[in-house]
Amino acid sequence: NAGVTQTPKFQVLKTGQSMTLQCAQDMNHEYMSWYRQDPGMGLRLIHYSVGAGITDQGEVPNGYNVSRSTTEDFPLRLLSAAPSQTSVYFCASSYSGLAGSRNEQFFGPGTRLTVL
Amino acid sequence: RKEVEQDPGPFNVPEGATVAFNCTYSNSASQSFFWYRQDCRKEPKLLMSVYSSGNEDGRFTAQLNRASQYISLLIRDSKLSDSATYLCVVNGRDTGNQFYFGTGTSLTVIP
Repeated sequence: NAGVTQTPKFQVLKTGQSMTLQCAQDMNHEYMSWYRQDPGMGLRLIHYSVGAGITDQGEVPNGYNVSRSTTEDFPLRLLSAAPSQTSVYFCASSYSGLAGSRNEQFFGPGTRLTVL
Repeated sequence: RKEVEQDPGPFNVPEGATVAFNCTYSNSASQSFFWYRQDCRKEPKLLMSVYSSGNEDGRFTAQLNRASQYISLLIRDSKLSDSATYLCVVNGRDTGNQFYFGTGTSLTVIP
């Protein structure tokens, strides 16, 4: 199993550009999520999905869109990049998002994004 | 108030030492608790889940105190390879399946 994969590993954008960060998992996990990690802030949830066709907002969703057309893929779209979106982005998946079940998360290697 | 709070450290300990980290959470309805390890510029990796009765995995012991709303991680006989940032994570049904991360505690084990 490849686990959780993310592409690209690094990306530089100009303000106003759009792009999609890719995330895929081959573990048949229902729950997938996107986080951003900034110094001193910890990981903050952007969007998450409890299954194909279902997405919901996390703590910091503004400026980002997601979709979940398949169980395996969960892309994150930056609509109009801003310098405040410079961060490290992690995708994660788990068998379930329900507390008390098999909900330990597995993370992808991250995408380091710089917006100029 | 943050959902999860950790002492950021840094903790600098000699090899062979025992070190303990605590993490407090604000939502009394939280049900799942984890410790993750994150190496510099890498993704977080699950270290261990934390169960109500406490659990041990080799040199690592995790405890949960629901009354005081904190979880702890004890590392015995520290190795150089234990140097990393340790993240506390909490999840609960009433938070809409969202996971909340602490900012992490930095550990450096010194030869």
